[in-house]
Amino acid sequence: AQSVTQLGSHVSVSEGALVLLRCNYSSSVPPYLFWYVQYPNQGLQLLLKYTSAATLVKGINGFEAEFKKSETSFHLTKPSAHMSDAAEYFCAVTEPPNAGGTSYGKLTFGQGTILTVHP
Amino acid sequence: NAGVMQNPRHLVRRRGQEARLRCSPMKGHSHVYWYRQLPEEGLKFMVYLQKENIIDESGMPKERFSAEFPKEGPSILRIQQVVRGDSAAYFCASSLARALGTDTQYFGPGTRLTVL
Repeated sequence: AQSVTQLGSHVSVSEGALVLLRCNYSSSVPPYLFWYVQYPNQGLQLLLKYTSAATLVKGINGFEAEFKKSETSFHLTKPSAHMSDAAEYFCAVTEPPNAGGTSYGKLTFGQGTILTVHP
Repeated sequence: NAGVMQNPRHLVRRRGQEARLRCSPMKGHSHVYWYRQLPEEGLKFMVYLQKENIIDESGMPKERFSAEFPKEGPSILRIQQVVRGDSAAYFCASSLARALGTDTQYFGPGTRLTVL
């Protein structure tokens, strides 16, 4: 079974400061990992994904994440926060297609982290 | 290219009524996923469908819930005899295929169901 833990349900930063949202996963096979963003009353938008290629993944809006197998982590970062980054962020995991399991395609999400950006 | 469409965006039902949620995937996408977001919780997988087939319904409650994705038309998530605990946001996602590089799931705006 797979699981995702997002440390910190709320993160608050000042505009221009570093954004760090933490995600740790548990998986019996090397997973695919995703970060999604959800603005109020909207659906989820994909920020970036890791699918076993480069461990440092760059996404939209200046976000990036690094897959660290030894730490089972996939933390999301952005060097300089902008007011428009205020939203809820979800880390998710799924099995890759060659894992032989039945969970491929089924995303398992973390609880979410609400990011607040102060002027 | 229009994104994933869901309707209605908001749905109010009284206990015991039926709720029908519709999802039109992105053009060319034949894979549909339904997720539920309960208050104060993350999204939970419910069901994965391809055209005319249910592939994985391991996240669906055993009673009152059903889903379909017919050859023509949108995918439907149906909840019979709704209860207050069904109040949640229901999200649909679609993907092009179940293969490397084309499996990104694109989410719709969700349907927010309120049961009175």
